[in-house]
Amino acid sequence: QKEVEQDPGPLSVPEGAIVSLNCTYSNSAFQYFMWYRQYSRKGPELLMYTYSSGNKEDGRFTAQVDKSSKYISLFIRDSQPSDSATYLCAMTTGTASKLTFGTGTRLQVTL
Amino acid sequence: DAGITQSPRHKVTETGTPVTLRCHQTENHRYMYWYRQDPGHGLRLIHYSYGVKDTDKGEVSDGYSVSRSKTEDFLLTLESATSSQTSVYFCAISDGARLGTDTQYFGPGTRLTVL
Repeated sequence: QKEVEQDPGPLSVPEGAIVSLNCTYSNSAFQYFMWYRQYSRKGPELLMYTYSSGNKEDGRFTAQVDKSSKYISLFIRDSQPSDSATYLCAMTTGTASKLTFGTGTRLQVTL
Repeated sequence: DAGITQSPRHKVTETGTPVTLRCHQTENHRYMYWYRQDPGHGLRLIHYSYGVKDTDKGEVSDGYSVSRSKTEDFLLTLESATSSQTSVYFCAISDGARLGTDTQYFGPGTRLTVL
């Protein structure tokens, strides 16, 4: 079993929809959680960064962490075609500079 | 791409040949990483460096070696390429100021095909 599980999709939604992307993990030592966005044939770029449990909002994006359930989510409101990309969750214990990534979910926002 | 370049961007090679990929940064960051990305596996850490001449293994290091003789350059070498090493390789950097929690910035990737 992988340490981090993420549904690969693809997930197709109409423009303006609310998107929910999720990851589950098994290592209770993970303390820091990130979401990266990766456009086709590009490197990943950091989108959101959260520590421990709770919510963090940045514009149309909200990251949510539930450590008791070992479950993290990324919500995208008012989705746009420019949001079409692969979204990767990543996490770390904070004791070493190593990230563990999910496999990524491919999102397509249609007009 | 946060001052990170990778070369070459594309390479096709034959089984058994040596291959070296280069990552160059202009950010003076302490940490540098090599990942490979494959369908169904996501990003997996191959090796990383925490300073000049200081390197350590990652999750999938077999068949790969690395060297870092200067802060700005991190080389990944496949001593004898195999078809299982066909992948997209990404370099990443972080400043290490907040060990374990600092942001990693990724390069544009190198697409390697081993025939």
